[in-house]
Amino acid sequence: QKEVEQNSGPLSVPEGAIASLNCTYSDRGSQSFFWYRQYSGKSPELIMFIYSNGDKEDGRFTAQLNKASQYVSLLIRDSQPSDSATYLCAVLVGDKLTFGTGTQLKVEL
Amino acid sequence: EADIYQTPRYLVIGTGKKITLECSQTMGHDKMYWYQQDPGMELHLIHYSYGVNSTEKGDLSSESTVSRIRTEHFPLTLESARPSHTSQYLCASSTGGGELFFGEGSRLTVL
Repeated sequence: QKEVEQNSGPLSVPEGAIASLNCTYSDRGSQSFFWYRQYSGKSPELIMFIYSNGDKEDGRFTAQLNKASQYVSLLIRDSQPSDSATYLCAVLVGDKLTFGTGTQLKVEL
Repeated sequence: EADIYQTPRYLVIGTGKKITLECSQTMGHDKMYWYQQDPGMELHLIHYSYGVNSTEKGDLSSESTVSRIRTEHFPLTLESARPSHTSQYLCASSTGGGELFFGEGSRLTVL
């Protein structure tokens, strides 16, 4: 079992819709959870992090964490074509940050 | 805005050549990392450093070596490049935790 699992996609959503990206992790000692966005041919950039169970909102982005289910998600409201990218989930255990393989999101006009 | 720089951005080189990929950051971060990523594939940690004179190998075995003589500088060296080394190499730094700042990457092609 991979430490961090994501569906590779592509996930296609129409412009204006809510995109839901999911991630599961195996280590119950995981402390912090991060979402990175990577445009094609570019480097990853951090867009959100969450430490506590529940929701955390930042503009059109909402991160959701459920430690009991070992599940973290990212919701993107009012999806725009500029949101088309690969979204990487990353999990921190101690000093070690482990990335998932990423989910490709395509927002269609 | 992150201030982490990688050179060269693109490099095409013949088999057997020695190469050094440079990475510098001006943020004073203690922790620095090298990741390898093939197009459309996941990130693989190949080296990391938690401070000057500290270097460790990452999860993915790599024939490259690194050094950390100065806080701001974390170069990666391949003594003898091979076609299997063709990939994108991403340098990152952080103060700790999971907030990494990435450079723009060095895309290496070995013929």
